[in-house]
Amino acid sequence: SQTIHQWPATLVQPVGSPLSLECTVEGTSNPNLYWYRQAAGRGLQLLFYSVGIGQISSEVPQNLSASRPQDRQFILSSKKLLLSDSGFYLCAWSHGAGNEQFFGPGTRLTVL
Amino acid sequence: GENVEQHPSTLSVQEGDSAVIKCTYSDSASNYFPWYKQELGKRPQLIIDIRSNVGEKKDQRIAVTLNKTAKHFSLHITETQPEDSAVYFCAYRNPGNQFYFGTGTSLTVIP
Repeated sequence: SQTIHQWPATLVQPVGSPLSLECTVEGTSNPNLYWYRQAAGRGLQLLFYSVGIGQISSEVPQNLSASRPQDRQFILSSKKLLLSDSGFYLCAWSHGAGNEQFFGPGTRLTVL
Repeated sequence: GENVEQHPSTLSVQEGDSAVIKCTYSDSASNYFPWYKQELGKRPQLIIDIRSNVGEKKDQRIAVTLNKTAKHFSLHITETQPEDSAVYFCAYRNPGNQFYFGTGTSLTVIP
């Protein structure tokens, strides 16, 4: 069966510091991978989407970037965090040939 | 288009009553419509979905209806229980495999 991992689970970072969040998927190959941000009490905002290694689509202009160095690894980064980057970051995957999308456990980021 | 309107934003029902949440989308090419349940501090969990070639789908107390002409779909929960209390999100998938989510409905089931 497929499993999706995210780490760290929680993170507190000062403004201006760098960020690296990691997501990995097990039990499938060539998944579509997604990064979402959820602000407190709000919906899910699609940040990045990837159909394959090195292929990244950005949904909104922002302070963040994403990379996919391996088939089942998706990384969310920032060079300098802003207060507004605080939120719950969710990685998700779906299979290219199917429909369902499944979420990782999330990383709760607080920027102080 | 990426817009998904979801209503209501909050909903309180008595235990045993039904709850209905509605969503409207704009992208006519959308072909897959999932619903997610998110409990506080946890990840969204897929609870039911419907594809564009189907008008209704039911799974025990949960059902989803889709009206492609009107571009809206709804979640129906019958015989609600306290454990149904959570935030519910509708979503749609476009042919490019991108998913867009509604703003969520906070459902409270009062015992």
